[in-house]
This record gives sequence, structure tokens and C-alpha cells, in this order.
Amino acid sequence: QKEVEQNSGPLSVPEGAIASLNCTYSDRGSQSFFWYRQYSGKSPELIMFIYSNGDKEDGRFTAQLNKASQYVSLLIRDSQPSDSATYLCAPRGNSWGKLQFGAGTQVVVTP
Amino acid sequence: EAQVTQNPRYLITVTGKKLTVTCSQNMNHEYMSWYRQDPGLGLRQIYYSMNVEVTDKGDVPEGYKVSRKEKRNFPLILESPSPNQTSLYFCASSLGKSSYNEQFFGPGTRLTVL
Repeated sequence: QKEVEQNSGPLSVPEGAIASLNCTYSDRGSQSFFWYRQYSGKSPELIMFIYSNGDKEDGRFTAQLNKASQYVSLLIRDSQPSDSATYLCAPRGNSWGKLQFGAGTQVVVTP
Repeated sequence: EAQVTQNPRYLITVTGKKLTVTCSQNMNHEYMSWYRQDPGLGLRQIYYSMNVEVTDKGDVPEGYKVSRKEKRNFPLILESPSPNQTSLYFCASSLGKSSYNEQFFGPGTRLTVL
């Protein structure tokens, strides 16, 4: 079993709809959780981080965390073609220096 | 401009020929890390460094070496590259020892080992 699991996709989303991305992790000691966006051929860039249970909203993005279920999700509202990218989930555990990434979910927003 | 730079951006080499990929950051970050990215496997951490002269293994350190003699530089050394090290490599840095510090990534180095 992988330590960070994401659906690989592609997740096809009509423009204007909500994209819902899920991530499960195995390290119960994970303290904070990062969502990175990676365009094809580019480096990852941070879009959200969350460390408390519940929801965190930033513009069109909402991160949801449930530590008891070891589950973190990312919602993208009013999806735009520019949101077409791979989204990487990265929990940070107790070992501060180590950051593990999921394989990523590819999102394709169709006009 | 605050950034992480890597050189070279593209490299084709042959098995066994030692190579170094440089990484430099101008943000005075304490933490630096190297990742490789392969299709279907995502980003996997190779080595990381919490500060000068402090390095530690990530999940896939075999076949790689690193050093951190200066705060700004964190080179990745492949003493005897093999074809299974063909990959896209990213260097990243972050401010310091806080769970909430984001990592800033370099542009990547695409390495092909023949």
C-alpha cells in the first residue's frame, strides 16, 4: 500500500463545474498537508496548505481535512481551462525533513 | 528575484560517467531537498538537508550523493549513473523548521542515462 494515495485520473471536469480531488495517507503523525499544482513540464507550485481539521478556503480552492479518517481533499470551484494540471497531495509527518508526495491527480477542464 | 536554480536543465549521458547537478537558492533558506519524478510514481525524495553540513536520506537515496557546504548550494552527485536513474529531478528549498513552510521548487533537470 502506498503511503499517499491519489486517484491518477484524468478527472474530466466541464468548465464552471466543481472538481473534487481526494487524498488518503497512512502516517497518522502527519501534521500539515500541502496541495501543489503542476503544469505539464513545469515544477510544482503550492496552492493550499491545511493543518487543522475542517475546511480552509482560498479563492476558488477549498481544502478539507479529516485526520481521524486520514483523508484530505481539494475542491476547485468554477473550474477554468487554466486549472488543467496535475494536483499533488503532500502530507508532512513528524519527521520534519521528509515530505512525501502522492502520484498526483490529472485534472482536465473542458470548455 | 527569489528563486531556486538548477543546472543543467537537460542532460544526456552514458552509464558510469560521473555527473553533478547543481542547485542554488537565493532566499537564505535553511532547508533544501532533492526529488526525482517518474511517471506514475510521483515525486520521491532522494536526500534533504536541514542546514549546512546536515544531510539525511529520503526514500530513494541509493546511487546518489549530496553535500551542503554552503547554505545556498545543494549539489546532487551521481558517481556512476545507470539507466534506471533516467528521470526528472527537482531541487526544492524552504525557510526552516516549521511544519507550515512551503517548498519552492527549481525548474527541474531532465536526465537521460544511456
